[in-house]
Amino acid sequence: ELKVEQNPLFLSMQEGKNYTIYCNYSTTSDRLYWYRQDPGKSLESLFVLLSNGAVKQEGRLMASLDTKARLSTLHITAAVHDLSATYFCAVDMRNTGNQFYFGTGTSLTVIP
Amino acid sequence: DGGITQSPKYLFRKEGQNVTLSCEQNLNHDAMYWYRQDPGQGLRLIYYSQIVNDFQKGDIAEGYSVSREKKESFPLTVTSAQKNPTAFYLCASSIDGVWSDTQYFGPGTRLTVL
Repeated sequence: ELKVEQNPLFLSMQEGKNYTIYCNYSTTSDRLYWYRQDPGKSLESLFVLLSNGAVKQEGRLMASLDTKARLSTLHITAAVHDLSATYFCAVDMRNTGNQFYFGTGTSLTVIP
Repeated sequence: DGGITQSPKYLFRKEGQNVTLSCEQNLNHDAMYWYRQDPGQGLRLIYYSQIVNDFQKGDIAEGYSVSREKKESFPLTVTSAQKNPTAFYLCASSIDGVWSDTQYFGPGTRLTVL
């Protein structure tokens, strides 16, 4: 069974600081996605990573994928309050006859 | 505007009742999905459909049923056999079922069993 683990599960950080969220998965896949969810809301697509070594950046967020290590990271630079949300990674296993598998999420709170 | 709509936003059900959650998309996507989210947890796949008139069970299909009679619609019925149906239900779609990137999510339906 595929396992997708995120850490930390909860993250409280001060504005202006940097931090990294990790997404580890237990089987081979070269496609991974990051989503953001605000409280009580739906999921918003942040990044699409489709190959080993892929790196995408949008504003203060940067995502990367290392398929050999089965690891994706979401790096936050100089955090601001607006980044407070829950972040999910999802591993794409559709090319093996399976589907998407989501991590448990990282709840991020940015403190002024 | 293209997108995914879900209705209702909030739904209350008495024990023993079946309820149907609506999901409609006008993105012309072939694939559609239903997920369940419990508080503080990730998403778990209930059912998915890669094409009209075809659907597959996900990891937690017991107590749920779906249909896919039209490309744009993928309703989910929560039956009385689902023992703990209180949750946040999210519908999603993707261009196709295998090679398209990412999924697009609807706003969700929050179901509460009284």
